[in-house]
Amino acid sequence: DQQVKQNSPSLSVQEGRISILNCDYTNSMFDYFLWYKKYPAEGPTFLISISSIKDKNEDGRFTVFLNKSAKHLSLHIVPSQPGDSAVYFCAARGSGSARQLTFGSGTQLTVLP
Amino acid sequence: ETGVTQTPRHLVMGMTNKKSLKCEQHLGHNAMYWYKQSAKKPLELMFVYSLEERVENNSVPSRFSPECPNSSHLFLHLHTLQPEDSALYLCASSQDHSWSVYGYTFGSGTRLTVV
Repeated sequence: DQQVKQNSPSLSVQEGRISILNCDYTNSMFDYFLWYKKYPAEGPTFLISISSIKDKNEDGRFTVFLNKSAKHLSLHIVPSQPGDSAVYFCAARGSGSARQLTFGSGTQLTVLP
Repeated sequence: ETGVTQTPRHLVMGMTNKKSLKCEQHLGHNAMYWYKQSAKKPLELMFVYSLEERVENNSVPSRFSPECPNSSHLFLHLHTLQPEDSALYLCASSQDHSWSVYGYTFGSGTRLTVV
């Protein structure tokens, strides 16, 4: 059973508009959440993260929101740029001794010029 | 060279072949990971090494055999694979297995095709 789910395999957005990527999780013991970005033929690269004690973290055009009661997080990109076109993976870190990351299946974002 | 380097980038092998994937990191990290990425599926954690000791083996078939001779190098030895093992194999490293708050640094992956 997937503990981290990205239910939208793809998303298309016009350049300059907002991109919203969503992620749901089932394990309430996750204590840290991360977003990774992956271009074709490259490995995922770290984008932004948020601790479970916060509900928002912002870094330039990227903002991550966490709703713990709904077990939901989202990544907002404003304004979207064609260079943002990539696969975005949501990941969650376990607590205790099992602190490795659990990943979602990714969302392909296409920003149209 | 910096970061995490994986070789080869592409590999085609028959089901009776034996091959190895190599990963090298120059970041001074002490934890290394193998992940498998199949199309439309989440990244699946295969193995975790911390300070050269295997700390996690996620029920991976024995036809995959990891080796970590030192903290900078990680191998994945492959033998008698199946076509369904075709995937992108990603290596990653982090500063510390138990405190990966900064996330992982990934290599570019090896695209494996089993024929």
